[in-house]
Amino acid sequence: DADVTQTPRNRITKTGKRIMLECSQTKGHDRMYWYRQDPGLGLRLIYYSFDVKDINKGEISDGYSVSRQAQAKFSLSLESAIPNQTALYFCATSDSGRYYEQYFGPGTRLTVT
Amino acid sequence: DQQVKQNSPSLSVQEGRISILNCDYTNSMFDYFLWYKKYPAEGPTFLISISSIKDKNEDGRFTVFLNKSAKHLSLHIVPSQPGDSAVYFCAAVEYGNKLVFGAGTILRVKS
Repeated sequence: DADVTQTPRNRITKTGKRIMLECSQTKGHDRMYWYRQDPGLGLRLIYYSFDVKDINKGEISDGYSVSRQAQAKFSLSLESAIPNQTALYFCATSDSGRYYEQYFGPGTRLTVT
Repeated sequence: DQQVKQNSPSLSVQEGRISILNCDYTNSMFDYFLWYKKYPAEGPTFLISISSIKDKNEDGRFTVFLNKSAKHLSLHIVPSQPGDSAVYFCAAVEYGNKLVFGAGTILRVKS
């Protein structure tokens, strides 16, 4: 079984809808991250959490919110989806000791029409 | 403005030859650099890293070189294999232990 799982893997939604992307990990890591990938822009950090009670905004947090329900679960919400949030979304985890070695999930391809 | 830049969107190399992927950065406060590899339909995976106090780090066929004065790092793959075909992301560690990624370079190794 994969160490970092993301659901759903693909999602098409309409403008204005609320959507939640979920991430679970079995690696026992304390740190979790949400990134989005856009062509020509690489991976950009949306939110990150160093433990259950610690949530921080990343580079592009506007329009997004997160919830760290447990050490193993970190969900990303789009309160009112807009077309420019169409992207590939990745969840990642890391240990605080080797924080730079992040383990990524397989990604969620989100399309907002 | 992007702090980590990979100016070559793609690179094509013959199997067995050397692949050289380049990365430039602008923030002199970065103190750790990494390369990640990504296959289609998968998440990125960590490949190799280098501290700013070193100028070279080697792991099997993969070597990363760092030139701090030029704010430049490169990844050398020798010899290149078809299985190395992937997107390669350069990344740097920012204050607060966050990673800043470049846009990626698509490497195609032809057999």
